[in-house]
Amino acid sequence: TQLLEQSPQFLSIQEGENLTVYCNSSSVFSSLQWYRQEPGEGPVLLVTVVTGGEVKKLKRLTFQFGDARKDSSLHITAAQPGDTGLYLCAGAKGATNKLIFGTGTLLAVQP
Amino acid sequence: GAVVSQHPSWVICKSGTSVKIECRSLDFQATTMFWYRQFPKQSLMLMATSNEGSKATYEQGVEKDKFLINHASLTLSTLTVTSAHPEDSSFYICSATYPGGTASTDTQYFGPGTRLTVL
Repeated sequence: TQLLEQSPQFLSIQEGENLTVYCNSSSVFSSLQWYRQEPGEGPVLLVTVVTGGEVKKLKRLTFQFGDARKDSSLHITAAQPGDTGLYLCAGAKGATNKLIFGTGTLLAVQP
Repeated sequence: GAVVSQHPSWVICKSGTSVKIECRSLDFQATTMFWYRQFPKQSLMLMATSNEGSKATYEQGVEKDKFLINHASLTLSTLTVTSAHPEDSSFYICSATYPGGTASTDTQYFGPGTRLTVL
């Protein structure tokens, strides 16, 4: 059972456009992480959000954790070809540090 | 810091043979490591949790006799795919937990992955 659903599944946009990726669940998570993965490589951590309602910014990327800690969003402003990759959210539950990964969003930014 | 390596980065083997993949935390000690499997353009599926000095915990549907995990030290975990078959071909990724004080602040750092192709 996939507990974390990401939308959209695929996204192809032009350089300079804005986009938002959503990560939704019916479960509550103690923390949520966002990763970006390029083909043939392991995921690279972008951010960890812990507090409900928390907003974190990383240059052109803005991450938000839902108030109820069940969902999160990633907003990219003025996307660039270097943003191309597979974006994954992952939630941690309770006392365990085991991560449950989202279904993934494949982003392609065309120059 | 917090670098995780995997070896080999890719391997091709014949059906029926066994393949060992190593996962190392290079600059920190990781009491817990995780093994994932990933199919093309799909997300990561957790296979097992590996704790130093104890038996691995496998996720539902993962055959423990087929995917042998050994966590001999705080910096090394190995995954052995026994009697590999073409359906075992996949991208295998490990991660190591960098301790942050509590489980909710621990961060997982991922290795670069190992591409296994079984002919």
